[in-house]
Amino acid sequence: QVKLQQSGAELVKPGASVKLSCKTSGYTFSTSYMSWFKQIPGQSIEWIGMIYAGDGGTGYNQKFKGKATLTVDTSSSTAYMDLSSLTTEDSAVYFCARRVTVAPFDYWGQGVMVTVSS
Amino acid sequence: DIVMTQAPLSVSVTPGESASISCRSSKSLLHSNGITYVYWYLQKPGKSPQLLIYRMSNLASGVPDRFSGSGSETDFTLKISRVEAEDVGIYYCGQLLENPYTFGAGTKLELK
Repeated sequence: QVKLQQSGAELVKPGASVKLSCKTSGYTFSTSYMSWFKQIPGQSIEWIGMIYAGDGGTGYNQKFKGKATLTVDTSSSTAYMDLSSLTTEDSAVYFCARRVTVAPFDYWGQGVMVTVSS
Repeated sequence: DIVMTQAPLSVSVTPGESASISCRSSKSLLHSNGITYVYWYLQKPGKSPQLLIYRMSNLASGVPDRFSGSGSETDFTLKISRVEAEDVGIYYCGQLLENPYTFGAGTKLELK
């Protein structure tokens, strides 16, 4: 069955960077899209961007350009998101979700809490 | 950006009764291909969101047929008939017509 397994919670200092992972299984990763989302606890969902594993092509929410960088490793069926120059406003839960054409975001990772604090 | 406005922000429902959640978009979500790019997700407490309805009115795999979606180009409704305890959570509508994809603020469904 389809699974998206995200890396563990992160505690990082302001100004630092962090790389989150989303390891997939149960489907053909190399011809699929992956999206990432941000959710501050108690708030709604924000779409960060999307990457096509086939060629690494990306599309970003303008709000997150320069903040998030999406990459993939097809050899391990894993998607990554780098978050840079972290501030307290980046403290949130981050989700990865598979994007399929007809029924997008049908499978989600469990989410990872990123806390930015000195 | 397309703004998605949900109402109400919370709803309390007696088990077995029905509930409706509204969502309005600031722009038509009807594409020239005839597809309306509105989606509904449920986030149960402490869990990841799950897809309920895609393309306005299509039931996602594994979702009970107590859930249904309808609407027009800018006004959409999620209806839950015979609400059960497992339906508790926050419901989000979202648009996937344009970058950036955007979501409503969410509607919290509780049981009476």
